[in-house]
Amino acid sequence: KQEVTQIPAALSVPEGENLVLNCSFTDSAIYNLQWFRQDPGKGLTSLLLIQSSQREQTSGRLNASLDKSSGRSTLYIAASQPGDSATYLCAVRRGGGSQGNLIFGKGTKLSVKP
Amino acid sequence: NAGVTQTPKFQVLKTGQSMTLQCAQDMNHNSMYWYRQDPGMGLRLIYYSASEGTTDKGEVPNGYNVSRLNKREFSLRLESAAPSQTSVYFCASSGTVSTETQYFGPGTRLLVL
Repeated sequence: KQEVTQIPAALSVPEGENLVLNCSFTDSAIYNLQWFRQDPGKGLTSLLLIQSSQREQTSGRLNASLDKSSGRSTLYIAASQPGDSATYLCAVRRGGGSQGNLIFGKGTKLSVKP
Repeated sequence: NAGVTQTPKFQVLKTGQSMTLQCAQDMNHNSMYWYRQDPGMGLRLIYYSASEGTTDKGEVPNGYNVSRLNKREFSLRLESAAPSQTSVYFCASSGTVSTETQYFGPGTRLLVL
């Protein structure tokens, strides 16, 4: 059974710091991996999607990497800002077609202090 | 373009009552999903619909039913609510089940007393 783990559960950093959020998964046979952001009381916003054949994806100050063989992904946030404060969720897709359901980690709650 | 909309935003039920959560998307997506989010458990898939006319069980389907009314709308019904169904419910949609990003609605907070 695929399990997704995110460590740490919470992280507090000063504004301007570069940081890395970690995601690990137990079954390396994934179809793709997504990183989401969730603000308190809100839905999820997709940040980056990495297909299984890709090593990384970038969007602005965000860079996500994928190492399938080791079962790990990282989300790098450069020059963090207070507006980056949110919970970040990692999710893997097990396969294509009807096997394409997302399996979520429990998230890392990030606080960026001014 | 509103994306994914959900109604109601908040609901209180008594044990044994029934209700239907509504979801609609205006992105012409084929696939739609219902998740629940509980503290310490993360997001778990209840049901999904890969395309209009099809529905399949997810990880936690017991106590729920779904209807894919048309391509835009996917509803979730609780026939006899239980306190264990107190949760935040999210609807999502994507172009396909396999390859594309899922877009989430704002959620429905349900409290069952």
